[in-house]
Amino acid sequence: GAVVSQHPSRVICKSGTSVKIECRSLDFQATTMFWYRQFPKQSLMLMATSNEGSKATYEQGVEKDKFLINHASLTLSTLTVTSAHPEDSSFYICSAEGQGAINEQFFGPGTRLTVL
Amino acid sequence: GQNIDQPTEMTATEGAIVQINCTYQTSGFNGLFWYQQHAGEAPTFLSYNVLDGLEEKGRFSSFLSRSKGYSYLLLKELQMKDSASYLCAVLDSNYQLIWGAGTKLIIKP
Repeated sequence: GAVVSQHPSRVICKSGTSVKIECRSLDFQATTMFWYRQFPKQSLMLMATSNEGSKATYEQGVEKDKFLINHASLTLSTLTVTSAHPEDSSFYICSAEGQGAINEQFFGPGTRLTVL
Repeated sequence: GQNIDQPTEMTATEGAIVQINCTYQTSGFNGLFWYQQHAGEAPTFLSYNVLDGLEEKGRFSSFLSRSKGYSYLLLKELQMKDSASYLCAVLDSNYQLIWGAGTKLIIKP
């Protein structure tokens, strides 16, 4: 149980294009999902907290107009990187909060974005 | 401010024991997590401590002292596949997860 999928696993795009990343909780409903970014040899950086049916809460320094988050259902959240640039190249990971007592986060496998 | 400290890198020998420490200063405390992350992969859950003491799970054990703001992850009978980064994270009073920078563990034969 508690499986989170993420699609695509890898994407290469040209500068200026937009990229959509999907995060799905496969066998449980996730009211809250999280989007992280991780640069090489660095720890996870929380970008935003996504709550089903409401606007996402963005961390300081994260542009909400550039990183569009939609959490339209209890099993799906999407992150769209708009007008991507090479500096947006990173490993993007989503997680979904479980429904147990310990607020454990279950992580998707991540998406490696490379912007040329 | 909120802060979690753990060593950047550690090296150990296959078959040995290693202890990875984590100290934290957060606004409130609702539990501490340890995650394992292999290079290029997402983190996977290892342990959760909310009460003081030692939690043992196979070769891995996690210890917590809330009064000292301290935890450690103990790995026994090290295997080459244990080479990974180990992330300490604390759930603060707002139930927000505060992440440490991770400890890269290198296992040598």
